[in-house]
Amino acid sequence: DTAVSQTPKYLVTQMGNDKSIKCEQNLGHDTMYWYKQDSKKFLKIMFSYNNKELIINETVPNRFSPKSPDKAHLNLHINSLELGDSAVYFCASSQSGGSIYEQYFGPGTRLTVT
Amino acid sequence: GENVEQHPSTLSVQEGDSAVIKCTYSDSASNYFPWYKQELGKRPQLIIDIRSNVGEKKDQRIAVTLNKTAKHFSLHITETQPEDSAVYFCAASMSFISNFGNEKLTFGTGTRLTIIP
Repeated sequence: DTAVSQTPKYLVTQMGNDKSIKCEQNLGHDTMYWYKQDSKKFLKIMFSYNNKELIINETVPNRFSPKSPDKAHLNLHINSLELGDSAVYFCASSQSGGSIYEQYFGPGTRLTVT
Repeated sequence: GENVEQHPSTLSVQEGDSAVIKCTYSDSASNYFPWYKQELGKRPQLIIDIRSNVGEKKDQRIAVTLNKTAKHFSLHITETQPEDSAVYFCAASMSFISNFGNEKLTFGTGTRLTIIP
């Protein structure tokens, strides 16, 4: 069973388009995250949700809009895509509650904007 | 905010030798320090972690040490094998009991470890 899954795995699109990435976890965790990994492999958090509530919102352009319909799903919608949005986007999940637990990462979505 | 520095950025060691990767953090409130391994084209996976109330933790061939006073922590891999070749990331985080979901991991810039057969 896949613990954290993402779709699609690859996404190639043109500048100006709008695209979405979906994430699902079957671990029963209450917290989900989006990370961006750039071409230099630098991993940076973008958002976190706890029980469908937005908790962390780093300085991300508001072209990026996360949505959590329930605590097992976290989607990322990106409007007006730019060349600089090309990266690998990782979803992750963890169980919070007084101490920090392992964050389980999804397989990543490689977004290429041309 | 937290800032994590990681060195070296690349490391090549002969198979069987040891590898050491070092990280420093800036925020003394950080209390959780995981290490992730990322193989080429794969997801980051936790290999070991340490909390601020512990100075050292070992799991078979890997160990992590933490010096809270100096705000640095290190990953040690002994008897390296070809399958240890990957990018390794350190990270730091604070635990907020009353603020669920704010366990933000700040990652280092990664170390590409190559094991030479």
